[in-house]
Amino acid sequence: SQKIEQNSEALNIQEGKTATLTCNYTNYSPAYLQWYRQDPGRGPVFLLLIRENEKEKRKERLKVTFDTTLKQSLFHITASQPADSATYLCALEKTDSWGKLQFGAGTQVVVTP
Amino acid sequence: DTAVSQTPKYLVTQMGNDKSIKCEQNLGHDTMYWYKQDSKKFLKIMFSYNNKELIINETVPNRFSPKSPDKAHLNLHINSLELGDSAVYFCASSPGGGGSTGELFFGEGSRLTVL
Repeated sequence: SQKIEQNSEALNIQEGKTATLTCNYTNYSPAYLQWYRQDPGRGPVFLLLIRENEKEKRKERLKVTFDTTLKQSLFHITASQPADSATYLCALEKTDSWGKLQFGAGTQVVVTP
Repeated sequence: DTAVSQTPKYLVTQMGNDKSIKCEQNLGHDTMYWYKQDSKKFLKIMFSYNNKELIINETVPNRFSPKSPDKAHLNLHINSLELGDSAVYFCASSPGGGGSTGELFFGEGSRLTVL
C-alpha cells in the first residue's frame, strides 16, 4: 500500500542551525510534492511545491529537494529561528489523481534560542 | 479578510446527533475540499467540489454529506454522529486547472468532539 513517512520524533534544534526534515514514500510515483507548515490549532499553510522533474526548489531560508530514485524529499530550514517552530507536513500528488493530495503525519520542529 | 473561513471552530455533541460545519472562501477559487485530521495528525481528503460539482468522494460513510450552494461555499453535514467522528475537519480551496492541484488554502479547522 502507498505510504508516506515523516520522522515522528520532534526535531530539536538550536537557533541559527539548519533543520533538515525527511519525507520518504513507498509504492508511490508522485508527480508533485508539497510542503506545508502547521501551527497548533491552526490550518496548514503552503510553503513550497516541487515537481518530479525538479531536483531542488528554494524560497528565502527554505530549500526542498526531490529525489525520485531514492523516493525521498528533504526539507531544509537554514538559519533557523524560534518562529520556525511548528509541524511540517509533506504532501504528494500523482498525475492521475488531481486534487487528491496525500499527506504525511508531519514532523514537529522546535527551535530553541 | 480571512481567505477561507469555517464555522464553528468547536463542536461538542452527543453520539447520534446531527451537525453541520460551514465553509466560505473569498479567494475566487473554483475548487473546495473537506479534509479530516485525526488524532494521529494525518490529513485525509474526504470530498472535493469544482464549481459546485462533486469531483472527489473518498470512501467516507454516507452519514457525511457535503453541499456546495455556490463555488464560494462548501458545507459538511454529518448525521448520526459516532465517537470515531471526533477529529478536526479542515476546509480548503485551490485555484484549480493546470497539471497540479497547486497550493491549498486551508481554513482554521473545526474541532468536533463526540461524547
